[in-house]
Amino acid sequence: KQEVTQIPAALSVPEGENLVLNCSFTDSAIYNLQWFRQDPGKGLTSLLLIQSSQREQTSGRLNASLDKSSGRSTLYIAASQPGDSATYLCAVRYAGGTSYGKLTFGQGTILTVHP
Amino acid sequence: SQTIHQWPATLVQPVGSPLSLECTVEGTSNPNLYWYRQAAGRGLQLLFYSVGIGQISSEVPQNLSASRPQDRQFILSSKKLLLSDSGFYLCATDTGNEQYFGPGTRLTVT
Repeated sequence: KQEVTQIPAALSVPEGENLVLNCSFTDSAIYNLQWFRQDPGKGLTSLLLIQSSQREQTSGRLNASLDKSSGRSTLYIAASQPGDSATYLCAVRYAGGTSYGKLTFGQGTILTVHP
Repeated sequence: SQTIHQWPATLVQPVGSPLSLECTVEGTSNPNLYWYRQAAGRGLQLLFYSVGIGQISSEVPQNLSASRPQDRQFILSSKKLLLSDSGFYLCATDTGNEQYFGPGTRLTVT
């Protein structure tokens, strides 16, 4: 069974800190990995997509890395702000002969950045 | 870029009542469409996906069904709701390799 695990489950940091969110997956035969942000009661916002052939992706203060061999991805947030407070979800799309993009999600990390 | 609409935004229904949730997509043609559910204390779970009109695949056995009457319309239904159907229902589509989600429908079954 393909599983995605996110650590920590919750994180509280003061504004301005750099932080790392972790995601691990059991099957290294992935097609891509996507990081999402979810605000309370809202849908998911895509942050970064890393293809299986890539090592990292960057967008503004966000940097996501991928290590397929160890089954891990990290999301690095630089200079955190209170507006970064949200749940961050990691999702993996596994390689296979199907024509659809089923994502397997982790449970998420609840991030709180306090002023 | 594509836009995903879902309605209603929130819904409170009694056990045993029918359900119809709608998802429409703009800005793309022949999209792959997905229904996910996010239940309290559980992660997001894929319920159904569709690669074309009338083509529906189910990921998990359940009390729900899905239909795709038009290219950019995806409907989630139930004939009789159960308490366990409560949750946050999200419609999604993908452009190339990246998946995008709609605003969701909060369903509470009482």
